[in-house]
Amino acid sequence: DTAVSQTPKYLVTQMGNDKSIKCEQNLGHDTMYWYKQDSKKFLKIMFSYNNKELIINETVPNRFSPKSPDKAHLNLHINSLELGDSAVYFCASTGGRTGELFFGEGSRLTVL
Amino acid sequence: GNSVTQMEGPVTLSEEAFLTINCTYTATGYPSLFWYVQYPGEGLQLLLKATKADDKGSNKGFEATYRKETTSFHLEKGSVQVSDSAVYFCAAKETSGSRLTFGEGTQLTVNP
Repeated sequence: DTAVSQTPKYLVTQMGNDKSIKCEQNLGHDTMYWYKQDSKKFLKIMFSYNNKELIINETVPNRFSPKSPDKAHLNLHINSLELGDSAVYFCASTGGRTGELFFGEGSRLTVL
Repeated sequence: GNSVTQMEGPVTLSEEAFLTINCTYTATGYPSLFWYVQYPGEGLQLLLKATKADDKGSNKGFEATYRKETTSFHLEKGSVQVSDSAVYFCAAKETSGSRLTFGEGTQLTVNP
């Protein structure tokens, strides 16, 4: 009964490959996010969707493309992976006025 | 937009020591304020929150008070335990919209 689940948890791949990370939440929330956490633990918002519509799109290379097929799912596809894409990617969701975010456990991407 | 500044880490303490992690914010309105905790290998989880000036959030022995006059939300605990070792993030949510802005994170290590 995990609230926010991400797959895969670990991903090791070569430069130039294309990969996807999937996220699902069963909390009935309307808004979902992707965050990138670098090796120094700094968290940077990448995208946010509300009811399948993109509402936050930070300065992220267009190799990164989010897709929200429905409000419970937000996937992240990354084309032409680069070494600097290595990080932990966190999915999160929120649905209440308090603004509390519920995070997944993260997907650690390593680009070789 | 909002910005959040946390005291630099890492912080290393002995068990039962007093903990303070400083956090200040800048915002145009009156944001909601949060502390999140990230245990090793896990996603972030909400530790405590405060939604208006002079509110005190508390949980698991941790406390933080929303100080509008000093734009601060410092995290305190009177007696830390080894199990408190984690990364702590201060965050602010703008009064309108769903963006949550995080501080840089502070790594806390508690030694027995």
